[in-house]
Amino acid sequence: SAVISQKPSRDICQRGTSLTIQCQVDSQVTMMFWYRQQPGQSLTLIATANQGSEATYESGFVIDKFPISRPNLTFSTLTVSNMSPEDSSIYLCSVDGRAPEAFFGQGTRLTVV
Amino acid sequence: AQSVTQLGSHVSVSEGALVLLRCNYSSSVPPYLFWYVQYPNQGLQLLLKYTSAATLVKGINGFEAEFKKSETSFHLTKPSAHMSDAAEYFCAVSEMDSSYKLIFGSGTRLLVRP
Repeated sequence: SAVISQKPSRDICQRGTSLTIQCQVDSQVTMMFWYRQQPGQSLTLIATANQGSEATYESGFVIDKFPISRPNLTFSTLTVSNMSPEDSSIYLCSVDGRAPEAFFGQGTRLTVV
Repeated sequence: AQSVTQLGSHVSVSEGALVLLRCNYSSSVPPYLFWYVQYPNQGLQLLLKYTSAATLVKGINGFEAEFKKSETSFHLTKPSAHMSDAAEYFCAVSEMDSSYKLIFGSGTRLLVRP
């Protein structure tokens, strides 16, 4: 299994600002995933981040709004840019376990005011 | 395209009663199937997974699920509900030949009455 640490665990941000969420894994992984869980909703994949290449975004998500970095095999960041109240969600980092299964971090609870 | 349908956004059972959470999937290729549980203010924890081995899969906390290809179903069951089972449950599907990208169902909130 993999242990995933996300920072911050929660934040309250002003609209128009940006927040960068960090995801640290205790072992090297090929693929990392970022999901969004809007209030009372299920999880939706934002993008897949592979080390050494550009992130692959799902339909409805764009790099300008959700830039992602993947500098090495144990770390990734997701930035939520120019935030609005509609961005208030839980953002979760996930990694592939090659079992197959996916492991999830505890999530970052974002509130935009 | 893959999809997952969870019937019932809320399921309420009495403590000690059978838990049945329904999940139907759609996939053009043999799928991997998962059940995850999310407790309040926490991330997701894997309950169990189907990866083309035994069709009856046993997971943690007494849960099990049966893969039925003919019905495209992967329903989650537990013989006797406990108060600590109250949580949100998500069914998810992934293609066997993909990058473990998960497609989630809408979730079912399980309420357990004393």
